[in-house]
Amino acid sequence: EVRLEESGGGLVQPGGSLGLSCIASGFVFSDNYMDWVRQAPGKGLEWVGRSTNKAHSYIKEYAASVKGRFTISRVDSENSLHLRMVSLQIEDTAVYYCVTWISGVAYWGQGTQVTVSS
Amino acid sequence: DIVMTQTPLSSPVTLGQPASISCRSSQSLVASDGDTYLSWLHQRPGQPPRLLIYKISNRFSGVPDRFSGSGAGTDFTLKISRVEPEDVGVYYCMQATQSVTFGGGTKVEIK
Repeated sequence: EVRLEESGGGLVQPGGSLGLSCIASGFVFSDNYMDWVRQAPGKGLEWVGRSTNKAHSYIKEYAASVKGRFTISRVDSENSLHLRMVSLQIEDTAVYYCVTWISGVAYWGQGTQVTVSS
Repeated sequence: DIVMTQTPLSSPVTLGQPASISCRSSQSLVASDGDTYLSWLHQRPGQPPRLLIYKISNRFSGVPDRFSGSGAGTDFTLKISRVEPEDVGVYYCMQATQSVTFGGGTKVEIK
């Protein structure tokens, strides 16, 4: 069974930093693309960024709204995906989801809440 | 970026009656491998999105057969043959052919 468990969310002041993690199980982690998707309160879903897999050289891609502020990393030996967020803005307040893809199927975690507020 | 446009924004439906949601992409979603990475998600308040349909018309494990997906190229449709109370919530289309983008969502509520 594919499982994705996010952690690390919390309350942070504008301009602050936060790191999120996603621990995966139930599939060969190094084979998979891994994405971060977020959802602001009362809003729709927004793709944040991606790490491709080992076969595709772990390329990282980011949405324009977070490029230069957010950094995705992964540790395949630990089946973990990470999102480092700096210079956080109020508009970054959202639930952040970890997503992986297997044969066209998107598997989602339960999400972790990030609140940016003074 | 591929823009996904969903209609309607809101859909009041009668229990037991059908419902339909449309999704149009700004460019073809046919990938270089020949597959079309168009999915449909359902989200209830306070819960994560739940996958219903992947690659246009494939129902995910455990999804009732009253849900069906169809379409090709740039035009796609999700149909619910008979709406049940648990079907209320917001439905999103999602493409993963080129990066990932989402439709704006369609809120399904009971009349």
